[in-house]
Amino acid sequence: GDSVTQMEGPVTLSEEAFLTINCTYTATGYPSLFWYVQYPGEGLQLLLKATKADDKGSNKGFEATYRKETTSFHLEKGSVQVSDSAVYFCALSDAAGSGNTGKLIFGQGTTLQVKP
Amino acid sequence: GAGVSQTPSNKVTEKGKYVELRCDPISGHTALYWYRQSLGQGPEFLIYFQGTGAADDSGLPNDRFFAVRPEGSVSTLKIQRTERGDSAVYLCASSSALERVMGYFGPGTRLTVL
Repeated sequence: GDSVTQMEGPVTLSEEAFLTINCTYTATGYPSLFWYVQYPGEGLQLLLKATKADDKGSNKGFEATYRKETTSFHLEKGSVQVSDSAVYFCALSDAAGSGNTGKLIFGQGTTLQVKP
Repeated sequence: GAGVSQTPSNKVTEKGKYVELRCDPISGHTALYWYRQSLGQGPEFLIYFQGTGAADDSGLPNDRFFAVRPEGSVSTLKIQRTERGDSAVYLCASSSALERVMGYFGPGTRLTVL
């Protein structure tokens, strides 16, 4: 079945460092891809998404490009801040079409710690 | 409120007891999802409602788990004969017909089975 694999954490960076969190997926169709973020004590929030190959999702300085050839959707940010400390989840949803339920399949999450 | 709300925020129960978890979706959202998040893991899909009907319940782990959405808005997740392995955070999400795959998540209910 469909699945998502993320790099293991925690990832610890100094403020203003470059961030990459790797995410690869396995899917039989053409899924949409997402990054969600969970700040301490808060609920899951959608960070960005991409719905087809070569799309780039971006938000709050974060970017991820849907790479069909490598089945990847790596999250990047050029300069992290302490306030970016959170758990990041990569996810996919089932392919578009009449059977699309919109349910999400998540990776296991990657904890990011940014130190001042 | 403007977002998805879930009650209670925390529930502690004893093994073998029955529990109900409630989700109030965003007004007008026709799609509603339940997920379970175990410690250190990503959320796992349980069930999806489109309106009043369960369109996909393939994620329910066994027949102790059941969910309803009788009027197409509020949903209740029901767990019978709870086991310690049911301890997790139960998340609810809702979406409109246009943004079905996006999902607005509630804060979750933390269930602890002693």
